[in-house]
Parts: sequence; C-alpha cells; structure tokens
Amino acid sequence: DADVTQTPRNRITKTGKRIMLECSQTKGHDRMYWYRQDPGLGLQLIYYSFDVKDINKGEISDGYSVSRQAQAKFSLSLESAIPNQTALYFCATSDTSGGVNEQFFGPGTRLTVL
Amino acid sequence: GQNIDQPTEMTATEGAIVQINCTYQTSGFNGLFWYQQHAGEAPTFLSYNVLDGLEEKGRFSSFLSRSKGYSYLLLKELQMKDSASYLCAALMNTGFQKLVFGTGTRLLVSP
Repeated sequence: DADVTQTPRNRITKTGKRIMLECSQTKGHDRMYWYRQDPGLGLQLIYYSFDVKDINKGEISDGYSVSRQAQAKFSLSLESAIPNQTALYFCATSDTSGGVNEQFFGPGTRLTVL
Repeated sequence: GQNIDQPTEMTATEGAIVQINCTYQTSGFNGLFWYQQHAGEAPTFLSYNVLDGLEEKGRFSSFLSRSKGYSYLLLKELQMKDSASYLCAALMNTGFQKLVFGTGTRLLVSP
C-alpha cells in the first residue's frame, strides 16, 4: 500500500467551481506540504503544515486554502478555480526525527480547469 | 534570493556515464537533494548531501561543493529505465526547512 495517497488522481472542472484535493499518509510524519508543478517550472510550494495546528503559506498560496484535519490528512482547496490553476499537484510529507528528513511525495493529482 | 540552475535536457547512450550539474544561490543553505521523476509520476528521493564531497549509492553518486554553490549527480552504467527528469533541490533553513526546486533535467537514454 502507498504511504502517501492523493484523491482524485485526475480531475477536470470548470472555471469558478470549488475543488478539493485530498492527501492522506500512513507514514506518521508530522509535516505535510502541497506543491504544484507546471511544465518547464520547478515544484512550487503552495502551503505547508508542521502539525495540525500549524499551517503556513508557501510561495504561491493566492487562490488556494488548506485544512489539516488530522496528522494524517491535509486537504487543498481551490475556492473558485481558474484556468491557470491547471497543473499537476503533489502532496508530500516529512518528519523531524533526525537524519536526512527527505520529503516523500504522493502520486499526484492532475487538475484541468476549463 | 533563491536560484537553482540545471540543464533542461541531456541525452546519453545505454551503458554510458552522465553527469547532471546543478548550481544554486540560496540563503540559509542546509543541504542539497536529488530526486528522480518519471513522466507523470511522483518525485522519488535519490540522494542528500550536506557536507562537501562525494556520496556514492550504487550506480548513482552525488557531489557537493558548498563554497562553489555546486552539485552534480553522476549516473553510471546507464539503463533505459534511467530516462526521467532529475530534480535538484536546495534545503533552506529560514525559520523552517524549505526545499527550493530547480526546473529539472530531462535525461533521455537511447539504445
């Protein structure tokens, strides 16, 4: 079973619709992140959360909101989707127990806004 | 400011060796990650360098020079399955540990 899962994997929606992307993890990590990836651009950080009560904006948070419902769940919402939010969205997790602390990525959600 | 530079695309032949370079200019630098990403899939961790020098892990090695703001990923005995994008990411410590990603180098391995 995958340690970091994302639903849905693919979504096509229309401009103005509200969309929620969900992320769950079984790794027991405290830190969770949302990124978007566009062709020719690096992964860009949207929001990150260090624990349930700690949520922070990343580089490109405008037009997005998040909810950390539990340590294992971190949702990303697009309140009113627009076409330039068409992208591949990744959730990631990491922990603070020492060592390398690399980020583990979910399989991604491909979102198309028409 | 934050700037990560790596070549956009490279080609190589099966069985060969390829070196993918990455230069960075970041404040609060804390280490350098390399990730592999196949098309449409999630990035997967390859290596992490925090000290200067070479880290070897099987066919893959990664090098870091903090004074030069430079890293490379070395792939030996290339296989067709190594065709993927390779992402360089600098770990910054600016109150929290944040990864700043380069745009990735797309490697095409041909027979």
